[in-house]
Amino acid sequence: AQRVTQPEKLLSVFKGAPVELKCNYSYSGSPELFWYVQYSRQRLQLLLRHISRESIKGFTADLNKGETSFHLKKPFAQEEDSAMYYCALIDRDDKIIFGKGTRLHILP
Amino acid sequence: SQTIHQWPATLVQPVGSPLSLECTVEGTSNPNLYWYRQAAGRGLQLLFYSVGIGQISSEVPQNLSASRPQDRQFILSSKKLLLSDSGFYLCAWSYNEKLFFGSGTQLSVL
Repeated sequence: AQRVTQPEKLLSVFKGAPVELKCNYSYSGSPELFWYVQYSRQRLQLLLRHISRESIKGFTADLNKGETSFHLKKPFAQEEDSAMYYCALIDRDDKIIFGKGTRLHILP
Repeated sequence: SQTIHQWPATLVQPVGSPLSLECTVEGTSNPNLYWYRQAAGRGLQLLFYSVGIGQISSEVPQNLSASRPQDRQFILSSKKLLLSDSGFYLCAWSYNEKLFFGSGTQLSVL
């Protein structure tokens, strides 16, 4: 069965330190993977998707099929990065399945 | 441009009362539509999704149901709410692998 796992509920990082939000998936086939972000009092919104290999707000994520991972990374954390982050997978029926989310807290 | 409307924003209902949350999409046709619930400590949970009028797939057996009476209208319902139905409900639509969310409904069942 398709599954997205985010092992950390809460991640606290000092400002300026590197950030890595972990995401592992279970899927038979070639997955389409995404990261969504929800800032305080705002709507959930798309941050990036692996197919476009883009960098948004300094974040990147690389699909590692061998490790079935899609970790989200940023070299230097900023206070405005504090938010809830969701990893998601789209399956062959076009359903989008989310992980349970990781709350990123940037410490001053 | 496409927009998604979801209402109400907040709702307080007694146990055993009915529920109807509505979601409409503008600026697109035949969207895939979704209902998610964001419960404390459980993250985002897919409840229902629909690929067309009258076509509803349920992901989690529960006290809720969904209907799609029109192409761009998606309704989440319950005949009798339970305490465990409390949570934050999000409607969403997808196009070209992107998912767009409504502003959500905070439901408190007392």
